[in-house]
Amino acid sequence: GAGVSQSPSNKVTEKGKDVELRCDPISGHTALYWYRQRLGQGLEFLIYFQGNSAPDKSGLPSDRFSAERTGESVSTLTIQRTQQEDSAVYLCASSNQAGLGPTGELFFGEGSRLTVL
Amino acid sequence: AQSVTQLDSHVSVSEGTPVLLRCNYSSSYSPSLFWYVQHPNKGLQLLLKYTSAATLVKGINGFEAEFKKSETSFHLTKPSAHMSDAAEYFCVVRSSGGSYIPTFGRGTSLIVHP
Repeated sequence: GAGVSQSPSNKVTEKGKDVELRCDPISGHTALYWYRQRLGQGLEFLIYFQGNSAPDKSGLPSDRFSAERTGESVSTLTIQRTQQEDSAVYLCASSNQAGLGPTGELFFGEGSRLTVL
Repeated sequence: AQSVTQLDSHVSVSEGTPVLLRCNYSSSYSPSLFWYVQHPNKGLQLLLKYTSAATLVKGINGFEAEFKKSETSFHLTKPSAHMSDAAEYFCVVRSSGGSYIPTFGRGTSLIVHP
């Protein structure tokens, strides 16, 4: 597609339920990033994919959070047993080969807003 | 290690007056620096970036930023604010060493009054 696509755009769930958030990066982009943005906060790094592998998952806040990427394309972020503190906007970004170095630009989706009641 | 500090959480200006959004960074390696803008309910868009070429960088919509190594700063400016500039602005650092994971500042909300 023309840009990074994320779904759902909004998700309301009950505490304790599992949720899956999807990211479709720009075609051909090998790097994919997940960030979390809590209300009034900056972006908090969660995990980085290069191809289908995740060389850096240091930002995942707990073992309830996991992510996978298949076919060097779509990525899914899964949150198990959701808690109220998981409420946030989850942003996905991708970059091309040139974007792997420090000078590269990230292209962002519009995010998935998660509300845990 | 790298970090970025945006010195103001909110900046309020009148339409037609200059804009200054302040950013200081810390990096163990030569940094690349970026400014992104986020309009309400939208994704982040790149405004401009510094990558060790010219220290004065021009971006979209009339914004520019100057890299000052001695002050470890990368402040964003615009000569004349427009109502459409009202948004959240993020300063970002990536280092030439380490994992290249971009680190974001907490954001500055720009409010533009008519």
